[in-house]
Amino acid sequence: DAMVIQNPRYQVTQFGKPVTLSCSQTLNHNVMYWYQQKSSQAPKLLFHYYDKDFNNEADTPDNFQSRRPNTSFCFLDIRSPGLGDAAMYLCATSRDFGQQYEQYFGPGTRLTVT
Amino acid sequence: GQNIDQPTEMTATEGAIVQINCTYQTSGFNGLFWYQQHAGEAPTFLSYNVLDGLEEKGRFSSFLSRSKGYSYLLLKELQMKDSASYLCAVTDSNYQLIWGAGTKLIIKP
Repeated sequence: DAMVIQNPRYQVTQFGKPVTLSCSQTLNHNVMYWYQQKSSQAPKLLFHYYDKDFNNEADTPDNFQSRRPNTSFCFLDIRSPGLGDAAMYLCATSRDFGQQYEQYFGPGTRLTVT
Repeated sequence: GQNIDQPTEMTATEGAIVQINCTYQTSGFNGLFWYQQHAGEAPTFLSYNVLDGLEEKGRFSSFLSRSKGYSYLLLKELQMKDSASYLCAVTDSNYQLIWGAGTKLIIKP
């Protein structure tokens, strides 16, 4: 089945220790997104890629970086995690960027910062 | 600023009908999505409306009024598995998806 895969599902890191979250997709979609979602809050868009064109949201902290080495894979790097970065990180894809294209989500990675 | 409003929490009875409302104020409008999100899981797509009116899909229906900046999701014949959060999201003039915080729906037997 075509899908969006995120690894790991659960990640524990120490305060200030860099961590990388990964996402892959078999849908062959052009657009990939990274969201941060905290409990009972709306997903917050961090970045999106249209193919290899990178788009950073204006309020995404510099502590968050992203890479998309090819169509299938996308990575989220948190350079120095703080306690406030503990959240669910959701990767999503859409076939294109436009009004009617729904987003397909991976299962998420729950990040704990100790 | 851009804003999506939904009730924080609703409770309904198994077998009943529930309507979850969403009002939005965004810079432009290019469609409205409803997603379902079970606790600890990722959102899954339910419906998309871009024109005024009702879209029916099985037990779920979604309504849109663009002039009022209003949508609702109607769930019929509620089942226990419908207990989840329901998120309303609007595509703005830049095709950015603006998300609401979601409505937590609790179904009681």
